[in-house]
Amino acid sequence: DGGITQSPKYLFRKEGQNVTLSCEQNLNHDAMYWYRQDPGQGLRLIYYSQIVNDFQKGDIAEGYSVSREKKESFPLTVTSAQKNPTAFYLCAIQDRFGRELFFGEGSRLTVL
Amino acid sequence: EDQVTQSPEALRLQEGESSSLNCSYTVSGLRGLFWYRQDPGKGPEFLFTLYSAGEEKEKERLKATLTKKESFLHITAPKPEDSATYLCAVNAGNNRKLIWGLGTSLAVNP
Repeated sequence: DGGITQSPKYLFRKEGQNVTLSCEQNLNHDAMYWYRQDPGQGLRLIYYSQIVNDFQKGDIAEGYSVSREKKESFPLTVTSAQKNPTAFYLCAIQDRFGRELFFGEGSRLTVL
Repeated sequence: EDQVTQSPEALRLQEGESSSLNCSYTVSGLRGLFWYRQDPGKGPEFLFTLYSAGEEKEKERLKATLTKKESFLHITAPKPEDSATYLCAVNAGNNRKLIWGLGTSLAVNP
């Protein structure tokens, strides 16, 4: 089944713990993105990667880290330095022509 | 400053009552305008891409149009299953970063 897969769908974390969200795709798309969505706010870009072993900070990268060791994978780590980590996290992919984004189902992180 | 504004914030319609959602933008150079549908707790689902003024695209009960300042998403004879949040985004630069509106929450009553 082709597409983009995010996991886990729900995640609970204690304050002070790092957590890693998974994003995998099998459509061979070059670009991958991580967004954060909060109630009453538009989607905000955390990090993006256009090729393997390279990524750029988005608008709200502080407290987050990523890696792009394989074309199909772009995991996001929410570190303890992120002050307000409770949110809905969305991963997206984009083809090499830079057209529309396709999103995963999202991961909801709750910090207890 | 590049900006995308969607209106109204929320819209409630009766089944069969047609209406339009608006996405106005102020950007230095439009490289694409995108419409998405988002159901609660799910990721946005791609609907349409528009690239130039005058362009129109249709899918079932939805029709998207584009001018130099705004885009409309027309919903004809909506059904309850059309209830969702509709998001608009604009690509205005060379770095592929999108500018997102806050969305319009649509509720269609049976």
